[in-house]
Amino acid sequence: EVQLVESGGVVVQPGGSLRLSCAASGFTFDDYAMHWVRQAPGKGLEWVSLISWDGGSTYYADSVKGRFTISRDNSKNSLYLQMNSLRAEDTALYYCAKDSGGTVGPLDYWGQGTLVTVSS
Amino acid sequence: DIQMTQSPSTLSASVGDRVTITCRASQSISSWLAWYQQKPGKAPKLLIYKASSLESGVPSRFSGSGSGTEFTLTISSLQPDDFATYYCQQYNSYSVTFGGGTKVEIK
Repeated sequence: EVQLVESGGVVVQPGGSLRLSCAASGFTFDDYAMHWVRQAPGKGLEWVSLISWDGGSTYYADSVKGRFTISRDNSKNSLYLQMNSLRAEDTALYYCAKDSGGTVGPLDYWGQGTLVTVSS
Repeated sequence: DIQMTQSPSTLSASVGDRVTITCRASQSISSWLAWYQQKPGKAPKLLIYKASSLESGVPSRFSGSGSGTEFTLTISSLQPDDFATYYCQQYNSYSVTFGGGTKVEIK
C-alpha cells in the first residue's frame, strides 16, 4: 500500500525558515517524480514544486521560486521542501504527492498534508 | 505559465442528475489533463488522467473528454458520495497548474 506521510509543519514568523519532510513507502520511490502541492485555508490547490525521479531536475511555481528548494533522498525514501523567507501568503496545508511517472504526470497518490502557518 | 479556468465555480445538483464541469487551458495542452475529487478535510483523489482515461477503482459514471484547450468531466448519474470539489490539472509543461475548482453541492 502506498503511503506518504508529511511532517514538519509548524507556526513560523514571517521571514523565517522551515523544512518539510515526506516519508514514502509501498512503492519503489526512486522510480517516480514527486511533487509538493499546497492549499491555503478555504482555497483551491496550488502546485508548488516538482522533482524528477533522480533529483536531477527541479521545477517551481513562480510564487516560491528562489525561496523554496525541493530535494529527495532516495536512500531514505524521503522528499523534502526547504522553505525560506516565509510570507503570510505561504500559510497552507502542504501535500506531498507521487507522480505516476518519472518526470511529470498526474498525481496518483497524496499524503494527508502538514500545516504551515506563517504569522507573527 | 498555462492558466486553467474551470466553470462553473459552484454547481447545485440532485442525486441522479447528469453533471458536466468544464476546464479550459490558456494554450493547447494536447491531452495532458487530469481530474481530481476532493472532499472536506481529505486529500485530493485522482479520477481521470490523459483527459479521458479512468483511474483504477474509479466508478464508471465518471468520464472525461476533450483535447487541446477545452475539456469536460461528466458524472452520468450523481450519487450522494459525489458531492465534493473537483479540480482539473494540466501536466503539459513542467510548471504544473490546477484549475480553481468546482464545488458540487446538493440542490
